[in-house]
Amino acid sequence: NAGVMQNPRHLVRRRGQEARLRCSPMKGHSHVYWYRQLPEEGLKFMVYLQKENIIDESGMPKERFSAEFPKEGPSILRIQQVVRGDSAAYFCASSPGQVAEAFFGQGTRLTVV
Amino acid sequence: AQTVTQSQPEMSVQEAETVTLSCTYDTSESDYYLFWYKQPPSRQMILVIRQEAYKQQNATENRFSVNFQKAAKSFSLKISDSQLGDAAMYFCAYRSWNRDDKIIFGKGTRLHILP
Repeated sequence: NAGVMQNPRHLVRRRGQEARLRCSPMKGHSHVYWYRQLPEEGLKFMVYLQKENIIDESGMPKERFSAEFPKEGPSILRIQQVVRGDSAAYFCASSPGQVAEAFFGQGTRLTVV
Repeated sequence: AQTVTQSQPEMSVQEAETVTLSCTYDTSESDYYLFWYKQPPSRQMILVIRQEAYKQQNATENRFSVNFQKAAKSFSLKISDSQLGDAAMYFCAYRSWNRDDKIIFGKGTRLHILP
């Protein structure tokens, strides 16, 4: 059973471009969480999704950021018109819903130049 | 809202010695989960140990154990016989008993192992 897969591992975007981060949860997991980690900081919650539904997006900026978890395919975190402050590591976690802990991917490091 | 506080940004311990990382949290709930996650330089978040709040017995996983003080809202991690591979950032985390809820993380403690 493969773990949570995130790609790409590293992403470089120029200011104003769009960034698309992908997350394939573990097999059988229908719950996906996105977190952002700034250097030397903890993980800040962004959004929680179940298949085709956003459950909690209280941590996600209202503008430029969106997330989806379609019926088929990976979860996508999209950042439009990126700015330097978006540079961070973005982590995805998944759970099957029946256990307390979530399992994390290795993250995508986004660098905006 | 729930919060998790780790007051030690960095700690060092001699190889083979024991070290304790501190964590306090704030919640008005009576049922919840607490976790310690490890993040080595590879950036992978690894679950070290978990504690259910309703359990009085402290969780243990090999060299890792916790001291869970529910009344004091304290959840410290003890690492015995420290090894070089234990060097990492350690994050304390909280999750409501309602599993449709997010995991809330502290800011982390960077642990250095001295050979």
